[in-house]
Amino acid sequence: QKEVEQNSGPLSVPEGAIASLNCTYSDRGSQSFFWYRQYSGKSPELIMFIYSNGDKEDGRFTAQLNKASQYVSLLIRDSQPSDSATYLCAVNNDYKLSFGAGTTVTVRA
Amino acid sequence: GAVVSQHPSWVICKSGTSVKIECRSLDFQATTMFWYRQFPKQSLMLMATSNEGSKATYEQGVEKDKFLINHASLTLSTLTVTSAHPEDSSFYICSAMRVAADNEQFFGPGTRLTVL
Repeated sequence: QKEVEQNSGPLSVPEGAIASLNCTYSDRGSQSFFWYRQYSGKSPELIMFIYSNGDKEDGRFTAQLNKASQYVSLLIRDSQPSDSATYLCAVNNDYKLSFGAGTTVTVRA
Repeated sequence: GAVVSQHPSWVICKSGTSVKIECRSLDFQATTMFWYRQFPKQSLMLMATSNEGSKATYEQGVEKDKFLINHASLTLSTLTVTSAHPEDSSFYICSAMRVAADNEQFFGPGTRLTVL
C-alpha cells in the first residue's frame, strides 16, 4: 500500500471553476501535511501546509484535513490557466516528506 | 527569504563518469538537507537525509556508495553520482529544512542529469 495516494487525474476544469484535489495517507502518526505545485521541468513550490483538523484558507486555496479519515484535500477557487500544473500532496513524518504521485490539473480558458 | 540554489541546473555526461551536484541555502542555515530524485511522470522519491557534520541517512534501495553525500557546512550539501549510467538520468532535487516551528522544507530548482 502506498503511503500517500492521490487521484492521478488529469483533472480538467473551466476557468473560474473550483478544482478539488484529494489525498489519503496511511500513517496515522503523520504530523503535518503539505500541498505543492509543480510545473513541468521545475521543482515543487509550496502552496500551503496544514497541521490541525479543519479548514485552512490562503487566498484562492483552501486545505482541509481530517485526521480520523486520514484525508487531506485542496480546493482551488476561481481557477486560472496559470494554475495548470501538477499538484503534489506530501505528508511529514519525523521531518521526512512522503509525496503522492500528483494530480495534473488543466484549467481551460 | 529561504532561497535554495542548486548547481548545475543541468548536466550531460558520459557513462562511467562522476557528477557532483551542489545544494546551497542562501539566506538561512540548514542543519538538515534532503535529496530527492524524480523520474518523468513520477513523484519525488526521497533518496537520503543529509545532516551537517554527520553521515547521510539513505532510504531503502538507494546505494550509498553510488550516491555520495557530503554536508560539510550549514549551507552546503553535495550529491555525487559516481560512475553514472543511463539509468541514473533523472531530475535531482534538494531541499533544505529551516529549523523553525514548522520545519518547512525549501526546495532547490533541481538538476537535470542526462547520462549518455
